Amino acid sequence: QQQVKQSPQSLIVQKGGISIINCAYENTAFDYFPWYQQFPGKGPALLIAIRPDVSEKKEGRFTISFNKSAKQFSLHIMDSQPGDSATYFCAASIDSGGYQKVTFGTGTKLQVIP
Amino acid sequence: DAGITQSPRYKITETGRQVTLMCHQTWSHSYMFWYRQDLGHGLRLIYYSAAADITDKGEVPDGYVVSRSKTENFPLTLESATRSQTSVYFCASSPTAGAYNEQFFGPGTRLTVL
Repeated sequence: QQQVKQSPQSLIVQKGGISIINCAYENTAFDYFPWYQQFPGKGPALLIAIRPDVSEKKEGRFTISFNKSAKQFSLHIMDSQPGDSATYFCAASIDSGGYQKVTFGTGTKLQVIP
Repeated sequence: DAGITQSPRYKITETGRQVTLMCHQTWSHSYMFWYRQDLGHGLRLIYYSAAADITDKGEVPDGYVVSRSKTENFPLTLESATRSQTSVYFCASSPTAGAYNEQFFGPGTRLTVL
């Protein structure tokens, strides 16, 4: 049962282009939507996150767009760089008996080519 | 070294053997988690712990055992390894149970069960 659906599975973007990764969720009780970035051989690390009462959050070249009515959110990477090449996971979390239970998407492998 | 570490980083074992993956964090975070990462599934929660001597099942706990006698350590044991447990395992920690808390991931252990 995949509660967070992520697409595309892989993405190739030219340097300087815009990378867009989309996610959709089912459970309207989710109350926090983080994105994690994972480089090869490393563990995931928090990149940027948004709460459902906000429609957009921007941090540098990374922007989350959030559409609560459609239950969708996306990550936009502006001016993509080869150093952005990594796997990106969207996630959604909910308070579950005292801790934030995080459900991850299946991941998008991004390759930025020079 | 400060942070969260996992050992071993790579492990090859045979079906039916017991194997223990170690996780150690130096932040004194209350919460610790074990995930497995598989292609097409993203990260799936195996077990989590809210404090020393408090553990609970996640999404895919079958075949795994955890313990947490000290706050800083959270070992994961495969009692009788199966080929389906070939995966990359990540340990993570989080400071509190509060909302919007980031999870900090270790570097992972790549386990192969022959």
